[in-house]
Amino acid sequence: NAGVTQTPKFRVLKTGQSMTLLCAQDMNHEYMYWYRQDPGMGLRLIHYSVGEGTTAKGEVPDGYNVSRLKKQNFLLGLESAAPSQTSVYFCASKNRLNTEAFFGQGTRLTVV
Amino acid sequence: AQKVTQAQTEISVVEKEDVTLDCVYETRDTTYYLFWYKQPPSGELVFLIRRNSFDEQNEISGRYSWNFQKSTSSFNFTITASQVVDSAVYFCALSEAASGTYKYIFGTGTRLKVLA
Repeated sequence: NAGVTQTPKFRVLKTGQSMTLLCAQDMNHEYMYWYRQDPGMGLRLIHYSVGEGTTAKGEVPDGYNVSRLKKQNFLLGLESAAPSQTSVYFCASKNRLNTEAFFGQGTRLTVV
Repeated sequence: AQKVTQAQTEISVVEKEDVTLDCVYETRDTTYYLFWYKQPPSGELVFLIRRNSFDEQNEISGRYSWNFQKSTSSFNFTITASQVVDSAVYFCALSEAASGTYKYIFGTGTRLKVLA
């Protein structure tokens, strides 16, 4: 049972480039989330999904897009990367009951 | 508005000392959940405990204990006889039931350094 898997684990982008971060969960969870972690700021919610085919904005959505075409996958896209998007990105999932969320191992993204 | 405050940015203790990490939250919901996660130097987030708003019973798990007080909106975490392996960043988080999204609001974290 892999849990929540993020791909890739590390990436360096040039300003203006685009990329997609993939989050895959094998626990049949309904809810999925993308957070970014920056020094001194904790984890902040970028976008989230309460079910297949649905997405919504979180606290810091600007510059990002998401899609949830399949229940097990939640994709985070950067259309035109900026240095301010240098961060560690975490994906999380949970089921309908308010139990704890399961987190991926994180993706360290550097935009130069 | 919902908010989680971890006022202690960094704490250093000597091994075997007891240490308490503070967490204060704000919410208007009557049904909510509080969590603690540990982030060791390797970077992953490790779930420690979940507590719902209707259960103020304190919990002990080995060297870890949690004190939940609704009257002061606090959910503090104590490590007894700290060990070097406890060195990590600890996050407190709040999840409100009313929104139906169950998203987490995180505090900014407390970095704990346990010195040998």
